[in-house]
Amino acid sequence: NAGVTQTPKFQVLKTGQSMTLQCAQDMNHEYMSWYRQDPGMGLRLIHYSVGAGITDQGEVPNGYNVSRSTTEDFPLRLLSAAPSQTSVYFCASSYRRGLGDEQFFGPGTRLTVL
Amino acid sequence: AQTVTQSQPEMSVQEAETVTLSCTYDTSESDYYLFWYKQPPSRQMILVIRQEAYKQQNATENRFSVNFQKAAKSFSLKISDSQLGDAAMYFCAYRSSNNNDMRFGAGTRLTVKP
Repeated sequence: NAGVTQTPKFQVLKTGQSMTLQCAQDMNHEYMSWYRQDPGMGLRLIHYSVGAGITDQGEVPNGYNVSRSTTEDFPLRLLSAAPSQTSVYFCASSYRRGLGDEQFFGPGTRLTVL
Repeated sequence: AQTVTQSQPEMSVQEAETVTLSCTYDTSESDYYLFWYKQPPSRQMILVIRQEAYKQQNATENRFSVNFQKAAKSFSLKISDSQLGDAAMYFCAYRSSNNNDMRFGAGTRLTVKP
């Protein structure tokens, strides 16, 4: 199993550009989520999904869109990038929704918005 | 909303000694899950240990153990026989059993001195 994969590893955008961060898992996990990590603030939940076709907002959803058309993929879209979205983004998945199961994290994407 | 506080931005320990990392949280719920994650310089998030709030017994995983004080809303991590490979950022996290929200603390950077 590849686990949780994220692409790209690094990205530089200009203000106003759009892009999609890709996330895929091959463990047949129901639950997938996106976090951002900023210095001194730990990880903050952006959006999550408890299964194909079901998504919901986390703590900091503004400026981001998600969709879940398959169990395996959970892309994160930035429609109009802003410097405040400069961060490291992590995708994670777990087998069951919202319970005490371990979340498996991807390697992260470092995004810089100029 | 639940909050997680790690009051020690940095800690250091001598190799083979014991160190305790602190974590407190704020919640009105009675059922929830607590986690400690390790993030080495590679940026990969790795689960260290987890605790279900309904369990009185403190969780233990080899050299890692927790002191879970539910009434005090405290969840500290003890690392025994510290090794150089334990050097990393450590994040405490809270996950509600009623929804899919997961909150992380700001992290504690642990240095292990040879």
